[in-house]
Amino acid sequence: NAGVMQNPRHLVRRRGQEARLRCSPMKGHSHVYWYRQLPEEGLKFMVYLQKENIIDESGMPKERFSAEFPKEGPSILRIQQVVRGDSAAYFCASSPGSLGGTNTEAFFGQGTRLTVV
Amino acid sequence: KQEVTQIPAALSVPEGENLVLNCSFTDSAIYNLQWFRQDPGKGLTSLLLIQSSQREQTSGRLNASLDKSSGRSTLYIAASQPGDSATYLCAVVGNDKIIFGKGTRLHILP
Repeated sequence: NAGVMQNPRHLVRRRGQEARLRCSPMKGHSHVYWYRQLPEEGLKFMVYLQKENIIDESGMPKERFSAEFPKEGPSILRIQQVVRGDSAAYFCASSPGSLGGTNTEAFFGQGTRLTVV
Repeated sequence: KQEVTQIPAALSVPEGENLVLNCSFTDSAIYNLQWFRQDPGKGLTSLLLIQSSQREQTSGRLNASLDKSSGRSTLYIAASQPGDSATYLCAVVGNDKIIFGKGTRLHILP
């Protein structure tokens, strides 16, 4: 059972381009969480999704950022018209059920490091 | 709103010493607490997870305790080694969200 897979591991985009970050959850996991880590900062919650539904997007910037988790395929975090301040590590986690259930744990991927030049 | 604070922000100790990293959180309504390790430019490695009903967990030289009522957790590292140098992150789970502290950057001096 492979872990949470994120790709690409490193992504370089010029200002104004679009960035698409992909996250394949662990097998059997239907809950996905995206986090952003700015340099020298902790991880900040962005969005929580279940298959085909956004459950909590309270941490998502209001503009340019969107996320989806379709019925088939990986979860996608999309950043339009990237700016230098979007440079960060973006981590995805998945869990088999709602966090807070007995023995439900989230597992993290290795992250995608986005650099905007 | 849950806030997680880790003290100290950075720590340098000689090899072989025992050390304690501290984590505090403002809302005691948590499901569990987890300690992670992060090496520079790398992902997260889960070290220990403590369910809210538990008081501590141990793995090798690591021991983590949880006092929900006071909103505190400690990570104890015994007989530290240079390979323990990393950033240690404390995270609490509540309301389908994991809230992280900013971490403690640990440097073990050979």
